[in-house]
Amino acid sequence: GQSLEQPSEVTAVEGAIVQINCTYQTSGFYGLSWYQQHDGGAPTFLSYNALDGLEETGRFSSFLSRSDSYGYLLLQELQMKDSASYFCALRRNSGGYQKVTFGTGTKLQVIP
Amino acid sequence: GAVVSQHPSWVICKSGTSVKIECRSLDFQATTMFWYRQFPKQSLMLMATSNEGSKATYEQGVEKDKFLINHASLTLSTLTVTSAHPEDSSFYICSAHPGGRGTEAFFGQGTRLTVV
Repeated sequence: GQSLEQPSEVTAVEGAIVQINCTYQTSGFYGLSWYQQHDGGAPTFLSYNALDGLEETGRFSSFLSRSDSYGYLLLQELQMKDSASYFCALRRNSGGYQKVTFGTGTKLQVIP
Repeated sequence: GAVVSQHPSWVICKSGTSVKIECRSLDFQATTMFWYRQFPKQSLMLMATSNEGSKATYEQGVEKDKFLINHASLTLSTLTVTSAHPEDSSFYICSAHPGGRGTEAFFGQGTRLTVV
């Protein structure tokens, strides 16, 4: 099976940088995605790594190392509105369909 | 951008009744949609893959007779929770990939189901 592990909670100060890690146990996937979910809302797409290395999208960057089965999401210049849950997710082919498997999720709290 | 619309956003029903949740792709056609369930403070768990014109594919442990999925058109998939019980209370979310395989997922707004 597939499992993606994340720290359950992270607290960081407004304006700082925070890294959310994701380790996984699987192979044969398209890439690693990151989603943000505010309480009561639906997940929204943040970033995607198909290849190893760093992808930068504004204040958010994501990193993937397939050899280490590891990825992370980096949030810079933290804002209060960044307080939310963050999920890594693997895209893989299963039975002819593309499926998305979500990580355990990390609740980020940004404090003043 | 691509939009996936889900309705209703919340519903309260009595134990033993059935509830239907709709998921629509508003500006693209989706031959495949996905249904997830999320319990409080937990991750999203894939329940089933909805396929237009054919039977849904259910994940292990998901009762297909309890969670009926119908994907009658290229823009609409429905999830019906039959004979709902309090333990079915959860957040149900659908998703689709507007660009097809290998592209990013867009999610509906989610439906908060409370069974009393």
